Amino acid sequence: QKEVEQDPGPLSVPEGAIVSLNCTYSNSAFQYFMWYRQYSRKGPELLMYTYSSGNKEDGRFTAQVDKSSKYISLFIRDSQPSDSATYLCAIYLLGSASKIIFGSGTRLSIRP
Amino acid sequence: EAGVTQFPSHSVIEKGQTVTLRCDPISGHDNLYWYRRVMGKEIKFLLHFVKESKQDESGMPNNRFLAERTGGTYSTLKVQPAELEDSGVYFCASSQGTGMIGSGNTIYFGEGSWLTVV
Repeated sequence: QKEVEQDPGPLSVPEGAIVSLNCTYSNSAFQYFMWYRQYSRKGPELLMYTYSSGNKEDGRFTAQVDKSSKYISLFIRDSQPSDSATYLCAIYLLGSASKIIFGSGTRLSIRP
Repeated sequence: EAGVTQFPSHSVIEKGQTVTLRCDPISGHDNLYWYRRVMGKEIKFLLHFVKESKQDESGMPNNRFLAERTGGTYSTLKVQPAELEDSGVYFCASSQGTGMIGSGNTIYFGEGSWLTVV
């Protein structure tokens, strides 16, 4: 079983729609959750992070973590064509080792 | 401020040849990481340097891969001899520290070095 499972998509929605991206993880000990955005031929860029259950909002983006069900979500409101990218959920392992475990990424396309 | 810089951006080599990828981290970042994404798979951790020391190399796939960071500045990742399954994109990343995210410890990624082994 993969440590982080993510639907690869692709997902195509019209401009202005609300987008919901989701992941599940396997290890209840995971504490730090992140969303990276990756544009074509670019490196991953940290979009949002959280280390607790509940919602965290940043502009049009909301990250949600439900530790009881081991579920991570990213919501994008009023989606724009510039939001078209691959979105990667990730777990940050902090301790003697410091590394990121990535989901496979969901390719999102916003149609004008 | 310059970001994480990687060279070359693209490389096509024949099976059995050697390739060396270079990464220049953000200035002042002691922590340097290598990740890679092979076809159809997720991005996976390879190793982590703290200055010139290997902190964690648990993700290195086999002894054909050698990473170095002499002097604690730039790093190289050598693949020798390259195999077809090594094709993919190799990402370098760096961070100032390794504490909680948001405390100046964000990990920044480069644009990647795309390797094709034919």
